[in-house]
Amino acid sequence: RKEVEQDPGPFNVPEGATVAFNCTYSNSASQSFFWYRQDCRKEPKLLMSVYSSGNEDGRFTAQLNRASQYISLLIRDSKLSDSATYLCVVRETGFQKLVFGTGTRLLVSP
Amino acid sequence: GAGVSQSPRYKVAKRGQDVALRCDPISGHVSLFWYQQALGQGPEFLTYFQNEAQLDKSGLPSDRFFAERPEGSVSTLKIQRTQQEDSAVYLCASSFTGDGRPNYGYTFGSGTRLTVV
Repeated sequence: RKEVEQDPGPFNVPEGATVAFNCTYSNSASQSFFWYRQDCRKEPKLLMSVYSSGNEDGRFTAQLNRASQYISLLIRDSKLSDSATYLCVVRETGFQKLVFGTGTRLLVSP
Repeated sequence: GAGVSQSPRYKVAKRGQDVALRCDPISGHVSLFWYQQALGQGPEFLTYFQNEAQLDKSGLPSDRFFAERPEGSVSTLKIQRTQQEDSAVYLCASSFTGDGRPNYGYTFGSGTRLTVV
């Protein structure tokens, strides 16, 4: 079983739609949580950190449920430019390395 | 430079050939990481340096993989006797913090796409 699991998709949505991605992690010692975005043939880029209280950045909302070891990302009012792969990422306490999920591919169509 | 620089961008190697991949991190960044990303997968951790010290090499898949950062800045990932399964994008990332505190995301380079034929 992978440490970080995501539905690979693709999620096909029309512009303006709301879409949600989920992610589960297996190691309860995980300390820090992130969503990264990766465009085709590009490097991953940090989208947002995920905090226990939940956090929002414009159209993006991230939630963390430590008890269920579950992380989510909600994108409202999808834009064509949101088309990318969204990577769920965790870091364990005491370790510097990031553990990535396989990624969820989002395709936003006109 | 302003970002993490990796070279070469593309490398085609014949099976059995040795390759060396270079990473030039953001100036002053203490932590440096190497990741391997196979097609359709998320990046997989290979190794981590804090300054010149290699503190974690648990992700290196075999003893054919070797990484160094002798002066605490530029790093080289070397793969000896390349195999077809080594074909992947090799990503380097750097981060400022190195004292064990959580750091909020790393900056990745554009990667080196290695194809072993």
